[in-house]
Amino acid sequence: GDSVTQMEGPVTLSEEAFLTINCTYTATGYPSLFWYVQYPGEGLQLLLKATKADDKGSNKGFEATYRKETTSFHLEKGSVQVSDSAVYFCALHYGGATNKLIFGTGTLLAVQP
Amino acid sequence: DAGITQSPRHKVTETGTPVTLRCHQTENHRYMYWYRQDPGHGLRLIHYSYGVKDTDKGEVSDGYSVSRSKTEDFLLTLESATSSQTSVYFCATLRELNYGYTFGSGTRLTVV
Repeated sequence: GDSVTQMEGPVTLSEEAFLTINCTYTATGYPSLFWYVQYPGEGLQLLLKATKADDKGSNKGFEATYRKETTSFHLEKGSVQVSDSAVYFCALHYGGATNKLIFGTGTLLAVQP
Repeated sequence: DAGITQSPRHKVTETGTPVTLRCHQTENHRYMYWYRQDPGHGLRLIHYSYGVKDTDKGEVSDGYSVSRSKTEDFLLTLESATSSQTSVYFCATLRELNYGYTFGSGTRLTVV
């Protein structure tokens, strides 16, 4: 079945460091891919998305490129801030009339000043 | 935002009691979902709805039921709560796929 695999956390970085959170997926077709972010005590918020191969999603300095050849959608940011500390979820949607999202297990990012 | 309100925000209940969680939306979105979030598992889909009175099971539906009698409300019922159902429950709605899901703030349920 379709699935999403994320790197395990926590990821601990100093402020202004470069961030990469790895995400790979398994799907039988061509899913849309998403990154969601969850700040402490809150629900998930859509961070960025890509709907087809080679698309790059971007928002708030974060970027991710849909790589069909490696079935990946890695999240990157050039310079993280303390306010980026959160849990990040990679997710895919693949077909069907019910529009279900399949989530990875989440990666906790802790940014230290 | 879709204007999603989950109630209650926190609840402690005893094993064996029924519990109902409510999700209310104000944006007339067709699709609604209930997820549970547990450490090491991410979000897992319990039940979802693709219209009034149209619901279906997700991957962890055992012990849960849902109802959607009107567009704005999606109720999740734990028929007889167990300690394994201690979790944070999130409701989400979907307008169209490319807009992404919109999530509520969650309900923290503790079964003692």
